[in-house]
Amino acid sequence: QVQLVESGGGVVQPGRSLRLSCAASGFTFSSYGMYWVRQAPGKGLEWVAVIWYDGSRQYYADSVKGRFAISRDDSKNTLYLQMNTLRAEDTAVYYCARVAGAVIKSYLDYWGQGTLVTVSS
Amino acid sequence: QSVLTQPPSVSAAPGQKVTISCSGSSSNIGNYYLSWYQQLPGTAPKLLIYDNNERPSGIPDRFSGSKSGTSATLGITGLQTGDEADYYCGTWDSSLSAWVFGGGTKLTVL
Repeated sequence: QVQLVESGGGVVQPGRSLRLSCAASGFTFSSYGMYWVRQAPGKGLEWVAVIWYDGSRQYYADSVKGRFAISRDDSKNTLYLQMNTLRAEDTAVYYCARVAGAVIKSYLDYWGQGTLVTVSS
Repeated sequence: QSVLTQPPSVSAAPGQKVTISCSGSSSNIGNYYLSWYQQLPGTAPKLLIYDNNERPSGIPDRFSGSKSGTSATLGITGLQTGDEADYYCGTWDSSLSAWVFGGGTKLTVL
């Protein structure tokens, strides 16, 4: 069965960096686009970034553009989110999710359990 | 302020029906398929509806979706206490080159 397992969260000081990982199993990872979505405490879902199935394109939310980088290693079936210059407002549970369907018909069909990132001094 | 607009909350009694609206524009709902997600308390979101009105395997037919122009609606019939959750709509936005979510709707089953 499809499984997505995030790791790498924790407490980090403002201005520092953190890298999240999402280990995928149960499907052909290299055939799917992948998303990062976050949820601040008590708030709604916020899309963070997407990477195309072949890694050819990445898009970012304005709130993280220039600070975060999404990447993938298909040999390890793993998705990454490199987060630099972290701010207090980046505090959230970060979910990875698989994208199904073509762009015009895309949807997030499987989600991980999330990993908590807390940015605090 | 979310690109897609949802009511913050809805409520209804067990066994009744409720609808949740999601309003957008031509750059998102108007030209892309919409999906809905259910987030039970303390858990990760789960896909509920995709391609405007399709249910994934395992989702009961009490849940339905529809779309008209730049708006969409999630319908839930035969409400159960286990349906209490936050519901989000989502789709791609071509103007932003970004995925967009609605602000979420909290369903209370009284």
